[in-house]
Amino acid sequence: DAGVTQSPTHLIKTRGQQVTLRCSPKSGHDTVSWYQQALGQGPQFIFQYYEEEERQRGNFPDRFSGHQFPNYSSELNVNALLLGDSALYLCASSLLTGGVKVNTEAFFGQGTRLTVV
Amino acid sequence: SQQGEEDPQALSIQEGENATMNCSYKTSINNLQWYRQNSGRGLVHLILIRSNEREKHSGRLRVTLDTSKKSSSLLITASRAADTASYFCAKNRDDKIIFGKGTRLHILP
Repeated sequence: DAGVTQSPTHLIKTRGQQVTLRCSPKSGHDTVSWYQQALGQGPQFIFQYYEEEERQRGNFPDRFSGHQFPNYSSELNVNALLLGDSALYLCASSLLTGGVKVNTEAFFGQGTRLTVV
Repeated sequence: SQQGEEDPQALSIQEGENATMNCSYKTSINNLQWYRQNSGRGLVHLILIRSNEREKHSGRLRVTLDTSKKSSSLLITASRAADTASYFCAKNRDDKIIFGKGTRLHILP
């Protein structure tokens, strides 16, 4: 049973460029969340996708956008890259369950290390 | 703002000793999860404790939750060199899982 997989593992981009990161959730999970983790900090919540829609969003500008596909995989897009976007980008998958949706355990991929130069 | 704050920020102990990390939060939660992260890699899920639970065990790990104090603790018993990592608590509320800044644990040989 494959866990959460992310691609690519490392990426170097130039300021102003655009980048797309990809995530395949753990089998049986229907929800994907994206996080940005700067060096020495905890992961910061970017947004969450469920049923192909953005369900929750953290305090990130519109340059950060995403998509979820029918097979539950997801993409994170960042436009007009800034040096400050350099970070580890983590994808987490979970299952929203219950009448009042509550996340089950979230499982993380190994992340994509983005460097903007 | 971060909703789960770990304390201490860094901890160094001798191998074989117990390590205790604490986490505080500000608002009500559905559950709270603890994660481990080795050197900039992905996060490994350790334990989930629900808001109606007070204590959970998993191997050498013990997690407690005090909802009246809005705090949780992670105890690692009989620490090993492989336990050296950053540990994060993550508060699960309104379908968002929010992380604190973590505790960096270093196990000394």
